[in-house]
Parts: sequence; C-alpha cells; structure tokens
Amino acid sequence: KQEVTQIPAALSVPEGENLVLNCSFTDSAIYNLQWFRQDPGKGLTSLLLIQSSQREQTSGRLNASLDKSSGRSTLYIAASQPGDSATYLCAVYDYKLSFGAGTTVTVRA
Amino acid sequence: DTAVSQTPKYLVTQMGNDKSIKCEQNLGHDTMYWYKQDSKKFLKIMFSYNNKELIINETVPNRFSPKSPDKAHLNLHINSLELGDSAVYFCASSQGHLPDTEAFFGQGTRLTVV
Repeated sequence: KQEVTQIPAALSVPEGENLVLNCSFTDSAIYNLQWFRQDPGKGLTSLLLIQSSQREQTSGRLNASLDKSSGRSTLYIAASQPGDSATYLCAVYDYKLSFGAGTTVTVRA
Repeated sequence: DTAVSQTPKYLVTQMGNDKSIKCEQNLGHDTMYWYKQDSKKFLKIMFSYNNKELIINETVPNRFSPKSPDKAHLNLHINSLELGDSAVYFCASSQGHLPDTEAFFGQGTRLTVV
C-alpha cells in the first residue's frame, strides 16, 4: 500500500526566503508525482506534474525534483511572497492519486 | 470555463437523510474520482471510474453509491447520512493511466451532517 509523507507539517518564513517542502513515498512504481496547492476552504490547484521518467519540472518560481528510486520529491519555491501562503500537497499516481497530509506554509510580510 | 464542477458547494442536512452530490468534467477525460477530505485535511480516495466502469472502491460503506451516467459525469449518492460523514468531498478527473496524466479537481462540496 502506497504511503506518502510530507515534512514539515507546517512552515513559517519571512517574505523573500526560499521554501523547501519534502515529500516521500513508499512504493516507487508510480506513473508520476503531482504537487498541488490548497487555499483555505478552496479546491486543489495543480502546480507541477513530474513524470516518472523525469528528474525535475519548473514553473516560474517553482521547481520540483523527483528521485523515484529513493521515493523522494522536493518542491522549491524561490523568493517566497505572502501570496504563497497555503497548504501544499504532494500526490503520487499509480492507479490512483495517493496524497500526503500536506505542508501548511505561512509567509510573513 | 470550469473544468471540473461540483454541486452543491455546501450541504447541511440531518442524520438519516439521503443526499446526492453531482460532478461534471468538460475536459474529455475518461477517468473520474471521488475523494474525501476529513477534519485533519487528509485526502483519501473513495471511488474511481474509468469510462463509466467502477475500477476502485476503497472500502467505503455501501451507504455511498457512485453513479456514472456517462464518462463526463460522476455523481455520489449517500444514504442514511451519519455524523461521521461530515467532510469535504472532492471530485477529480484525469486521462487514463498515462505518465503525463494530470488530475484536475473540483472546488469541493462541504457536507455537514447535524
């Protein structure tokens, strides 16, 4: 059974600092890994998708890496802004999306 | 133009009632899902349908019955609602089991059972 863990559970940083969010998973037989953002009371917004054959994906200030063999992914957010405050969820896709519990990020102005 | 839409957004109902949540996607995807997000914000899959056929049922009580009239719709019917059913329910869709398949989620339905 796939288990996804996200560390830390919460993170508070001053504006401008870089963010590093970690995700680990137990079964490396995945099609891809997706990072989502969830704002309070809202749905999930897809940020980045990394296919199993890829090592990283970038979108603007976001960069996600994937090391499938070790079951790890890291989401980097450069030069954080207060608008980045949200919960970030990691999910791995085999025949279904299995989610971690998320990292709640607060960026202080 | 909403890709995955759910109705209603909020649902408050009494214990014992039967209720339905509707979901529609306009992305042309062949796979749809229902997820439950509990009070601890953990998202757990309930059902998955591929081309109107049930492919995943994750030990959900049989009071929950999904129905897929076509591959663009996946509705969730809940019988005899219990307090523990209170949660946010998310519908999602993706295109099959492909490495580049990206899942898209609806805005969620917050169900409160009183």
